Amino acid sequence: QKEVEQNSGPLSVPEGAIASLNCTYSDRVSQSFFWYRQYSGKSPELIMSIYSNGDKEDGRFTAQLNKASQYVSLLIRDSQPSDSATYLCAVNMSGDTGRRALTFGSGTRLQVQP
Amino acid sequence: ETGVTQTPRHLVMGMTNKKSLKCEQHLGHNAMYWYKQSAKKPLELMFVYSLEERVENNSVPSRFSPECPNSSHLFLHLHTLQPEDSALYLCASSQDAQAGWGEDTQYFGPGTRLTVL
Repeated sequence: QKEVEQNSGPLSVPEGAIASLNCTYSDRVSQSFFWYRQYSGKSPELIMSIYSNGDKEDGRFTAQLNKASQYVSLLIRDSQPSDSATYLCAVNMSGDTGRRALTFGSGTRLQVQP
Repeated sequence: ETGVTQTPRHLVMGMTNKKSLKCEQHLGHNAMYWYKQSAKKPLELMFVYSLEERVENNSVPSRFSPECPNSSHLFLHLHTLQPEDSALYLCASSQDAQAGWGEDTQYFGPGTRLTVL
C-alpha cells in the first residue's frame, strides 16, 4: 500500500516563529512532491512544488526534500495567524487507479497563536 | 471565469435523487480529476481523465458516474447515493506532460459540499 504520512497535529506555534511540517512517503521512485494549504471549508491551494533533493525557497516558505530518506518538509518562517490552516503533502506514486497520480497525506493542522 | 470552477457549491439530495456535479477549467489543461474529501480522511482520487483516457479508482461505487465531453468540462453523475457519500467533492485539473503520468501540478476548484439525507 503506497502511503503518504503526516502528523495530524495540531501544531501550535507563536506568531513570528518557524513552523516545521513533515511528511514521509513510501514509494521510492516518486519524483514530484507538493505542499497544499487548505483553510477550513475551502479547497486545497498550491503553495510549493519540489522535484530535486535539497531546499527550495519561495518567500516565507521553504520546502526540503530528501529522497534517500523519503522525507519532505515545509518550513514557514515568521508564522502569521493567517497561516493557520491544514497543510497537505502530496506525492506522485502509483495508486488505486493503476497509474501514477498524486497521493495526499491526511494533513497537518497548524495553529499560529497571536 | 478563471481557474477551475464548480457548480453547485452546495447540494442536498435524498437517496433516490439523481443529480450531477459540474466542473469547468479555464487553464488549457489536458487532464481533469474528481476527488472526494470526507471529514478527517485524506483526499481520495475517484476518477482521472487524461489525454482522452479515463482511469478510475476501482473502489469507487458505481453510483458515481463521470463524464468528460471535452478537455475543459467534467461531470460527476450521482444516483441512489448513501448518507456516507456526504463529503466535499473536488475537481482538479493539470497539464499532463506525458500520457500515463499524473504528476504535474494540480489546481483545484472550490468544491461541492454534498449532503445525502
